Amino acid sequence: DVKVTQSSRYLVKRTGEKVFLECVQDMDHENMFWYRQDPGLGLRLIYFSYDVKMKEKGDIPEGYSVSREKKERFSLILESASTNQTSMYLCASRRATGRSSYEQYFGPGTRLTVT
Amino acid sequence: GQNIDQPTEMTATEGAIVQINCTYQTSGFNGLFWYQQHAGEAPTFLSYNVLDGLEEKGRFSSFLSRSKGYSYLLLKELQMKDSASYLCAVRDYGGATNKLIFGTGTLLAVQP
Repeated sequence: DVKVTQSSRYLVKRTGEKVFLECVQDMDHENMFWYRQDPGLGLRLIYFSYDVKMKEKGDIPEGYSVSREKKERFSLILESASTNQTSMYLCASRRATGRSSYEQYFGPGTRLTVT
Repeated sequence: GQNIDQPTEMTATEGAIVQINCTYQTSGFNGLFWYQQHAGEAPTFLSYNVLDGLEEKGRFSSFLSRSKGYSYLLLKELQMKDSASYLCAVRDYGGATNKLIFGTGTLLAVQP
């Protein structure tokens, strides 16, 4: 079974803090993604990485950065957290090619509250 | 532009059949996905359509018409555990990898 894990289920941070959200997958997937999910807005792509040290901006990258130093780990960084970044953050991974490359697996999510 | 529309909420009765519609307008198309998401949990993959027609998988079926930009998810013999949000997503062409564009989800409530 594919497993995508995220470092925390719940996180509370103060405005201005630097926040790290970690995601690890154990299936040697090339592609990894960070989304945020907000009521009425659905899942929106923040950043994605198609291989180690590769990254591309998604639809809402402002205020975020990412790091992919190892294939299994994809980190989302909030350089200076703000209250409008309070959200559910979901990590996902997917094989780049091959028979099951269409299926994207999600982690359990991190509910971040910025006060 | 990119646009995916699905109803916000639906209600159905246990044992019945429900159809959740999804229409899309995207710059590229490389498949349509349905995900199920229970409250507080991660989305889980339900189905994938890339060619026109119906794909059946147990109690769940998914239909695609590319010419109409339309899909539906059909749930038969509804159970209480089917109460969840159902997300429609289109795989677009973009960059070195195909991105998924998600609709806002349809919250299905199954009543006894």
